[in-house]
Amino acid sequence: DGGITQSPKYLFRKEGQNVTLSCEQNLNHDAMYWYRQDPGQGLRLIYYSQIVNDFQKGDIAEGYSVSREKKESFPLTVTSAQKNPTAFYLCASTNRGDLENIQYFGAGTRLSVL
Amino acid sequence: RKEVEQDPGPFNVPEGATVAFNCTYSNSASQSFFWYRQDCRKEPKLLMSVYSSGNEDGRFTAQLNRASQYISLLIRDSKLSDSATYLCVVNWPGNYQLIWGAGTKLIIKP
Repeated sequence: DGGITQSPKYLFRKEGQNVTLSCEQNLNHDAMYWYRQDPGQGLRLIYYSQIVNDFQKGDIAEGYSVSREKKESFPLTVTSAQKNPTAFYLCASTNRGDLENIQYFGAGTRLSVL
Repeated sequence: RKEVEQDPGPFNVPEGATVAFNCTYSNSASQSFFWYRQDCRKEPKLLMSVYSSGNEDGRFTAQLNRASQYISLLIRDSKLSDSATYLCVVNWPGNYQLIWGAGTKLIIKP
């Protein structure tokens, strides 16, 4: 079954702690994305990667970091510099050959601060 | 500025009625347009792409008006299961980014 797997589903962060959210896809998609969603708001782009070993900042990259060492994996680290990390984090992927750029999502990770 | 604007609602609609929402976008060069559906505390899922000539998928009809820079979604014979938040999405030309509206909440009442 092809899809995007995010883990964990729920995550709690202590003050000053870095946490890493996992995103794995077996769709053979080239591009992957991380979004943040706050209640009542749309999705805001944190980082995206179009190919392995390359990634770009989105609109709200401060306090976050990513890596793209494998095509299948695009983990997101929420660093201690992100002062308001409580949100719903969504990972998405798309095939660069898809002219429409339809994005498909994992089930998301809910991050809360202890 | 990258903007996609939607009426947040909620739209409270009786079962069986027809409901329509609009969404406006800021970049006249945008080429790809979508409606996604998001259920409470779940990930967004593609409902339909929006094509220049308008398109229909069962009870759902999407339209694009390039001159006025808006897209619309019409739902006919609404079902209880249509209750969700509908997200308008537009591409930002020149990269692989999509710009997301905040969503319109729809509640279908029996």
